Amino acid sequence: GQSLEQPSEVTAVEGAIVQINCTYQTSGFYGLSWYQQHDGGAPTFLSYNALDGLEETGRFSSFLSRSDSYGYLLLQELQMKDSASYFCAVRQNSNSGYALNFGKGTSLLVTP
Amino acid sequence: ETGVTQTPRHLVMGMTNKKSLKCEQHLGHNAMYWYKQSAKKPLELMFVYNFKEQTENNSVPSRFSPECPNSSHLFLHLHTLQPEDSALYLCASSRRGDTEAFFGQGTRLTVV
Repeated sequence: GQSLEQPSEVTAVEGAIVQINCTYQTSGFYGLSWYQQHDGGAPTFLSYNALDGLEETGRFSSFLSRSDSYGYLLLQELQMKDSASYFCAVRQNSNSGYALNFGKGTSLLVTP
Repeated sequence: ETGVTQTPRHLVMGMTNKKSLKCEQHLGHNAMYWYKQSAKKPLELMFVYNFKEQTENNSVPSRFSPECPNSSHLFLHLHTLQPEDSALYLCASSRRGDTEAFFGQGTRLTVV
């Protein structure tokens, strides 16, 4: 089976940097994704890492180490609007398109 | 707006009722998914459709019955549900080979 672990809650100050870690166990690995979900909203795609290293997209970066089964999402210059839940996800080992298995999510609270 | 539309946004139903959730996408995607999101639990994959064919059923009880008449529409038929089935039901779609899934806003279901 597959399992993903991430912290349940993180609090940070506006303008700061925060890192959300994710460790995973999976029988077959097809990359690690990150999604953001605001209260009452749809999960939206942030990033995807298939290979080791850092991927940067504006204020958000995502890192992957396949040998450690570990990744993280880095949010810089935090803004109040970044308060949301962040989910790491791995692609299910199947021929079923892009079916994802998600972690429980990390609730990020950005304070003034 | 992600391009994936779900209706209704909210639904309250009794345990003996029959209702259906609808999902529609006009993004040209060929894979569609149903997820269940309960409080304090990760998004759970329920069903996967590729090119209108069901390719995944994650041990979902038969009181949930999916239907995919074409690549743009996906339904979830509900009957004799239990209160523990109350959750946010999310539909998503993707194009085979892509690394991103697009989610709808979800249907908030309450079973009374």
